[in-house]
Amino acid sequence: DVVMTQTPVSLSVSLGGQVSISCRSSQSLVHNNGNTYLSWYLQKPGQSPQLLIYKVSNRFSGISDRFSGSGSGTDFTLKISRVEPDDLGVYYCGQGTQYPYTFGAGTKLELK
Amino acid sequence: EVQLVESGGGLVQPGRSMKLSCAASGFTFSNYGMAWVRQAPTKGLEWVATISYDGSSTYYRDSVKGRFTISRDNAKSTLYLQMNSLRSEDTATYYCTRGTSWNAYWGQGTLVTVSS
Repeated sequence: DVVMTQTPVSLSVSLGGQVSISCRSSQSLVHNNGNTYLSWYLQKPGQSPQLLIYKVSNRFSGISDRFSGSGSGTDFTLKISRVEPDDLGVYYCGQGTQYPYTFGAGTKLELK
Repeated sequence: EVQLVESGGGLVQPGRSMKLSCAASGFTFSNYGMAWVRQAPTKGLEWVATISYDGSSTYYRDSVKGRFTISRDNAKSTLYLQMNSLRSEDTATYYCTRGTSWNAYWGQGTLVTVSS
């Protein structure tokens, strides 16, 4: 199975600040078709997860441009700029390249 | 507006069966692959199973293979998860999601508790 390792486990940020979350996979996430199926999700307290980014860097419909994804192969990053109160929660990366699909353990974003 | 509404969860004894349903609306259900993702209490996300847009292909995580069956009824825009021989480690909130390689939309989840 592809192991997804997220760092850090938790992150404290001031409103208006910027943060980066790292996600590393144990194998390359480049699919045979050339696409890289790495996605990012946010789960706000008491809510279902929501998709932020798919295929490494594509923002999902309605997602602010304060969220950006980058990376390739096995090393990926989610950056959040100008952090707002509504950004708080747990962030997960996930891979959809190889079955079984797997997620990282999550990064909790909290207010400083 | 895309909506995914799960139902069928609850308390079940170990070894028994349970069937989850997910009613989809707001999009052409038959055009999309669908998946179930679960989350044990206070834990992270775990992919369970995926089904292709027409139901011809299904995929499962090893721990549920042979016990769970994902299916769909495109005429009813409904996704199912038949869960047999349930174990305590299957206790989780089960989310219905749209998509295969990424999960674009999620339902509110239905809690399945396996306990005697």
